[in-house]
Amino acid sequence: EVKLVESGGGLVQPGGSLRLSCATSGFTFTDYYMSWVRQPPGKALEWLGFIRNKANGYTTEYSASVKGRFTISRDNSQSILYLQMNTLRAEDSATYYCAREGVLRFFDYWGQGTTLTVSS
Amino acid sequence: QIVLTQSPAIMSASLGERVTMTCTASSSVSSSYLHWYQQKPGSSPKLWIYSTSNLASGVPARFSGSGSGTSYSLTISSMEAEDAATYYCHQYHRSPPITFGAGTKLELK
Repeated sequence: EVKLVESGGGLVQPGGSLRLSCATSGFTFTDYYMSWVRQPPGKALEWLGFIRNKANGYTTEYSASVKGRFTISRDNSQSILYLQMNTLRAEDSATYYCAREGVLRFFDYWGQGTTLTVSS
Repeated sequence: QIVLTQSPAIMSASLGERVTMTCTASSSVSSSYLHWYQQKPGSSPKLWIYSTSNLASGVPARFSGSGSGTSYSLTISSMEAEDAATYYCHQYHRSPPITFGAGTKLELK
């Protein structure tokens, strides 16, 4: 059974940093692209970035809204995906989801989400 | 980047009613890379329809998807109570950014 479990959310002051984790199981982690998607309260989904699979060198791509502030990485030995977030702003407050990408770039499995609140 | 515009933003339907919602792309999208998700309050999104017209595992046959180019739609042949949710379209076109539509909230009348 494929499982994705996010953790690490919480309350952070503006300008602060936080790292989210996404523990995965039930599939060969290195075979898949993995993405982070967020959703502010009551708003739509926003793709943040992805990290490619082993065959594509584990390289990363980001949305313009987080490029330079957020970094996606993966620990392939433990099948964990990370999202390092720096210089956080109030508008980064959201539920953050990790998602596995299928071959046609759909998100076929999602975690339950972890919530970040950026506030003083 | 490709902008996906979903309409209507909110709609309501009665049990048994036929429902259609649309997703319009600002530029042409390959139908292989246009997908739909269902999300209910307090839950993660679920893949619902992939590559325009393919139902994800467990999705009832009353759902269907169609479209090409810049115009896509999701249809429910006969509304059931469990179908009340927000539906998002999503595209990937050759390169990032990946984008989502703003969603269509479907309510039971």
